[in-house]
Amino acid sequence: GEDVEQSLFLSVREGDSSVINCTYTDSSSTYLYWYKQEPGAGLQLLTYIFSNMDMKQDQRLTVLLNKKDKHLSLRIADTQTGDSAIYFCADPWGGNTGKLIFGQGTTLQVKP
Amino acid sequence: DADVTQTPRNRITKTGKRIMLECSQTKGHDRMYWYRQDPGLGLRLIYYSFDVKDINKGEISDGYSVSRQAQAKFSLSLESAIPNQTALYFCATSSRQDKSETQYFGPGTRLLVL
Repeated sequence: GEDVEQSLFLSVREGDSSVINCTYTDSSSTYLYWYKQEPGAGLQLLTYIFSNMDMKQDQRLTVLLNKKDKHLSLRIADTQTGDSAIYFCADPWGGNTGKLIFGQGTTLQVKP
Repeated sequence: DADVTQTPRNRITKTGKRIMLECSQTKGHDRMYWYRQDPGLGLRLIYYSFDVKDINKGEISDGYSVSRQAQAKFSLSLESAIPNQTALYFCATSSRQDKSETQYFGPGTRLLVL
């Protein structure tokens, strides 16, 4: 079946860059997504990337997509304590049917 | 006001009880979803609805049922709650007119089944 995998935990120091990685199995998706969940809150869309792009940059966020290896990464430059959260990558299920398969979530801990 | 609201935000119930979680949205979206979140497992899709008359099972629908009362309302029911249904439940919405098919999430309902 379709699967999305992430490492569970990442710890960085404030000011460093964070890189959160994700692998997926469904290569038919048009978009891939990153969501952020702050403590006690729901998920909010952080960014998404169109599958015909290799990279997307949005202020401190850089998304890299390697379709050949089915690998997606999210880089956060100059990581701040407010970036501490759980980050989920998500891949549409069965192509763009509107359903999402989520990774397990990566907990980002930012130390002062 | 929040675009996607869920009630209740927290609920404690006993094994065997029937409970309903409600979701409402003011985004005008046609598509609605119910997920559950368990630590270390991410979010898993329970049911989804692409319009009022179109309801489909997700990955883990056993033990759950849903009702799409209107375009803006989508309810999740646990007919006979069991402890392993203790989880954080999220409702989400999206629009088929949005090319990116972004889903927008409610704040979640934390459910404890004793």
